[in-house]
Amino acid sequence: QQQVKQSPQSLIVQKGGISIINCAYENTAFDYFPWYQQFPGKGPALLIAIRPDVSEKKEGRFTISFNKSAKQFSLHIMDSQPGDSATYFCAAREWEGYQKVTFGTGTKLQVIP
Amino acid sequence: DAGITQSPRHKVTETGTPVTLRCHQTENHRYMYWYRQDPGHGLRLIHYSYGVKDTDKGEVSDGYSVSRSKTEDFLLTLESATSSQTSVYFCAISDRGTAGTEAFFGQGTRLTVV
Repeated sequence: QQQVKQSPQSLIVQKGGISIINCAYENTAFDYFPWYQQFPGKGPALLIAIRPDVSEKKEGRFTISFNKSAKQFSLHIMDSQPGDSATYFCAAREWEGYQKVTFGTGTKLQVIP
Repeated sequence: DAGITQSPRHKVTETGTPVTLRCHQTENHRYMYWYRQDPGHGLRLIHYSYGVKDTDKGEVSDGYSVSRSKTEDFLLTLESATSSQTSVYFCAISDRGTAGTEAFFGQGTRLTVV
């Protein structure tokens, strides 16, 4: 059972375009929603994160939109660049005596010149 | 990168042999985790530790054991490797105390069981 559903699986975007990755969840105990960026041969690295009491968070070209009632959140990458080509994972966290993070299945983004 | 070192980075082993992967941190973080990453599954938690000698199972713990004898080291052992354990393994660390604490990941270990 996938607690965090992520789509699309892969995405090709033209340089300068907007990349959009969507995630949905069911567990209302999640209290923190990070996005990770992973380059080939590297570990995932935190990109941006949001709490459910905020509807939007922007950091540079990266924006998270959060819809608590719909249990959905999305990552928007504005002015996408070839250097943004990577795999992106949404995630959701809850505390169960430890930081339990559930990851989406990932989106492989390719930004073409 | 946060101070996390995984070793080895690559390993090929035969079915039925024991394998130990090591994660070493220099951040003095309380929590340490082992994940496996497989296509179509994202990252799945194998085991985690919330202190020295304090460990517990994650969602895919069958066939794996862990040990943490020092704050900085977290070992993952495959007692008898199987082909289904071919994967990329990531160690992660985190610490509670600040809002929005995130997990820092190591570079990964690519394990192939033949």
